[in-house]
Amino acid sequence: QVQLQQWGAGLLKPSETLSLTCAIYGGSFSNYYWSFIRQPPGKGLQWIGEVIHSGSTNYNPSLKSRLSISVDTSKNQFSLKLTSVTAADTAVYYCARGRNSADRRFDFWGQGTLVTVSS
Amino acid sequence: DIQMTQSPSSLSASVGDRVSITCRASQSINIYLNWYQQKPGKAPNLLIYVASILQSGVPSRFSGSGSGTDFTLTISSVQPEDFGTYYCQASYSSPFTFGQGTNLEIK
Repeated sequence: QVQLQQWGAGLLKPSETLSLTCAIYGGSFSNYYWSFIRQPPGKGLQWIGEVIHSGSTNYNPSLKSRLSISVDTSKNQFSLKLTSVTAADTAVYYCARGRNSADRRFDFWGQGTLVTVSS
Repeated sequence: DIQMTQSPSSLSASVGDRVSITCRASQSINIYLNWYQQKPGKAPNLLIYVASILQSGVPSRFSGSGSGTDFTLTISSVQPEDFGTYYCQASYSSPFTFGQGTNLEIK
C-alpha cells in the first residue's frame, strides 16, 4: 500500500521560508506526478505545484515567483520551498500523488502539515 | 485559470436520502473532472475520476456524471459515514483547480 509521510516546520515568521518534505513508501516513485496542495483554515483546496522523478516541475502561476519543488530519487522524497511567507500562506499543506495520465487525479495523500505564519 | 463553482455550498440529508451536488466549470473540461470527500482533520479522499469512474474501494452508492462544463456527484442512499465536505477538481490542465466545497450534514 502506498503511503506518503510528510514533515516540516509548523510555525514561521513573516518573510521566512517554508520547507516541507514528503517521503513515498510502498510504491514506485517513477511514472507519477508528485504534488503539494494547501488548504487555509476553514477554506478550500489550492494546488501549489508538482514534480516528476526527472526533476521537471510545473507550478501554479500565482505562487511561481516564490516556489521551488525538488526531488531526491535516491530517497523517494520530494520537497517544497516557499519563500517570503506571509499570513496568507497559513494553511494545512498536503503532499499527494498525481496519476501520470491526461487526467491528473490525486489518489494518495500525506497526512497534512499545519503551517502557521505569525510574528 | 479554470474556475470551478459548486452548488449548494451546504446541505443536510437524512439517512437513505438521494443527494446530488453539482459542479460547473468556467470553460469546457471535457470529462476531466474528479470528486473528493474530506472529513474534518483528514486529507481528501478520491471518490470518482474522469467524471464517472468509481475509485477502487469507494461504495457503489456514489456515482458521477457530466461532461463539458456541468457535472454531478450523486449519492443514491446517504449513509451516516457520508458526512463531510465534497470537492470537485478540474484535472486536464494546470493549474488544477478545485471547487469551493459542499458540506454535507447528516440529520
